[in-house]
Amino acid sequence: AAGVIQSPRHLIKEKRETATLKCYPIPRHDTVYWYQQGPGQDPQFLISFYEKMQSDKGSIPDRFSAQQFSDYHSELNMSSLELGDSALYFCASSSGSHGELFFGEGSRLTVL
Amino acid sequence: AQSVTQPDIHITVSEGASLELRCNYSYGATPYLFWYVQSPGQGLQLLLKYFSGDTLVQGIKGFEAEFKRSQSSFNLRKPSVHWSDAAEYFCAVGDAAGNKLTFGGGTRVLVKP
Repeated sequence: AAGVIQSPRHLIKEKRETATLKCYPIPRHDTVYWYQQGPGQDPQFLISFYEKMQSDKGSIPDRFSAQQFSDYHSELNMSSLELGDSALYFCASSSGSHGELFFGEGSRLTVL
Repeated sequence: AQSVTQPDIHITVSEGASLELRCNYSYGATPYLFWYVQSPGQGLQLLLKYFSGDTLVQGIKGFEAEFKRSQSSFNLRKPSVHWSDAAEYFCAVGDAAGNKLTFGGGTRVLVKP
């Protein structure tokens, strides 16, 4: 069965650079979520989209932005990167409310 | 605001022994509760979930969890652990739509041979 696909799996950037992470949800899933998991931390909700519209917002820095496109894939754009942005970024998708969240394997961002 | 507490940061258990991971939640209404497992460097895999109904929930890999409203708990159990169960386990509570998740701090399980 198709799963949530995230790319790239690993990314190394320097401070003040920009990074873009991509997420391809499971086919026919209409909701996408982004989570950030710092080293040794639990995942923190960043933002979600339902039918290409932002549906909820968590602890996402102003330097970050995201969107969901017409094909339902989503991109997380991170600018002016800081050392503290180094983390594992998870995307998850679901279908409808109360739908189970299926997580991708994550994109590991390292900021040097 | 919803919150989740996992009191045990680390648990070491012998292979074949039973395992119980504690989870306490805070939520104003009927909670939507989940347990996820994360192997090193991997994504989160759903073990089981509780939305309503029977308070004892069966999951994958031989795990089960019991929802106790009076104790605001949703503890995870497995009668006999296998070495492959060594991982980090996260309890999570969902919002009213059951989607946006708030995770606990996680419990890292080590399995001794």
